[in-house]
Amino acid sequence: SQQGEEDPQALSIQEGENATMNCSYKTSINNLQWYRQNSGRGLVHLILIRSNEREKHSGRLRVTLDTSKKSSSLLITASRAADTASYFCAFAGGTSYGKLTFGQGTILTVHP
Amino acid sequence: ETGVTQSPTHLIKTRGQQVTLRCSSQSGHNTVSWYQQALGQGPQFIFQYYREEENGRGNFPPRFSGLQFPNYSSELNVNALELDDSALYLCASSRRGSLDEQYFGPGTRLTVT
Repeated sequence: SQQGEEDPQALSIQEGENATMNCSYKTSINNLQWYRQNSGRGLVHLILIRSNEREKHSGRLRVTLDTSKKSSSLLITASRAADTASYFCAFAGGTSYGKLTFGQGTILTVHP
Repeated sequence: ETGVTQSPTHLIKTRGQQVTLRCSSQSGHNTVSWYQQALGQGPQFIFQYYREEENGRGNFPPRFSGLQFPNYSSELNVNALELDDSALYLCASSRRGSLDEQYFGPGTRLTVT
């Protein structure tokens, strides 16, 4: 069973709109990461936020982390059709050295 | 794209058979992790190899085993295949001591019939 949960499970928006995905976890973490996966292929690392950070930006991506609520959100601004993919949060705790626990993912569809 | 490669891309096996999947790490990475991703689910950690030794294991039975070679490439072996082993198998490489950022290969799609 997975220890990360994401919502919504699916999100459908129009190009130009913003997309927000949420992730919750149950354990203490060192960092939380977001990955993108296109059509059941390999995962692409998007952004990493450390446990002592609250917000981080990368291009059109904004990630927030609230360790008191054990939750994170990923915001994609001004979405494009090319952003259509599955998005996963993943986290590592303790001395895990790369043993990531993933959420079940959010399927994002951006309509042109 | 990352520098992580996996082979084969697709594989079809029969229940009870054995399979070996291969992964080449990104240059400069000394740690390899393997994940199983069932359809519609997030990846699940199988195990990790560092310096040719297993360095942590997820909730998978002993019939899932692995190797890491001196050049940091890796193999995942699954014996006595079951129908539920059908999944996308992903390997990811990283540098020990990094912030756990993983570089994933494209995956091997295994179908067990």
